[in-house]
Amino acid sequence: NAGVMQNPRHLVRRRGQEARLRCSPMKGHSHVYWYRQLPEEGLKFMVYLQKENIIDESGMPKERFSAEFPKEGPSILRIQQVVRGDSAAYFCASSLAAIGNTGELFFGEGSRLTVL
Amino acid sequence: EDKVVQSPLSLVVHEGDTVTLNCSYEVTNFRSLLWYKQEKKAPTFLFMLTSSGIEKKSGRLSSILDKKELFSILNITATQTGDSAIYLCAVDYGGTASKLTFGTGTRLQVTL
Repeated sequence: NAGVMQNPRHLVRRRGQEARLRCSPMKGHSHVYWYRQLPEEGLKFMVYLQKENIIDESGMPKERFSAEFPKEGPSILRIQQVVRGDSAAYFCASSLAAIGNTGELFFGEGSRLTVL
Repeated sequence: EDKVVQSPLSLVVHEGDTVTLNCSYEVTNFRSLLWYKQEKKAPTFLFMLTSSGIEKKSGRLSSILDKKELFSILNITATQTGDSAIYLCAVDYGGTASKLTFGTGTRLQVTL
């Protein structure tokens, strides 16, 4: 029973390149969340998706960042034209139900992005 | 602005000690408060609290919520070196979608 799988675990990009982070939720989970953890800061909500739908992207920067969760395949967080300030650990989490409905959140091990 | 504040920021104790970690919050539309343990990798779920005054227990860990005073505590008794981790508190404040606001965590180190 695999947990939330994220890849790559580590990604190095130069400024201006694109970063793609992938997340496969736990089996049977249809709710996916992306969080960002900057150094010395807490996890910050970015976006909440259900299959094929973005439910809430209020925590995601309006430019350069996008997320999707297609009917088939993993959820993708895409960062275009990366800048040094994008360097962070990006955590994906999934749940069986919405958190408020006693849906427990399961986290992946994170993808650590370093922008040179 | 919604916020979650944890204290202390870090703590060093000896094995066998009892520790209390604090989490206070200011959010609108509070639905639940959650505790996670983060070692080097993924945060792992410990507790979810929705009602005041009801203690949740799991082995040596326990937690309680006070919705009037807007805080929660996490207790760990008879600490072990394996308890060394960052303990995260998060609040689900509902709204149109489920999402959590996290505190910056308490870094606990248990020494021999």
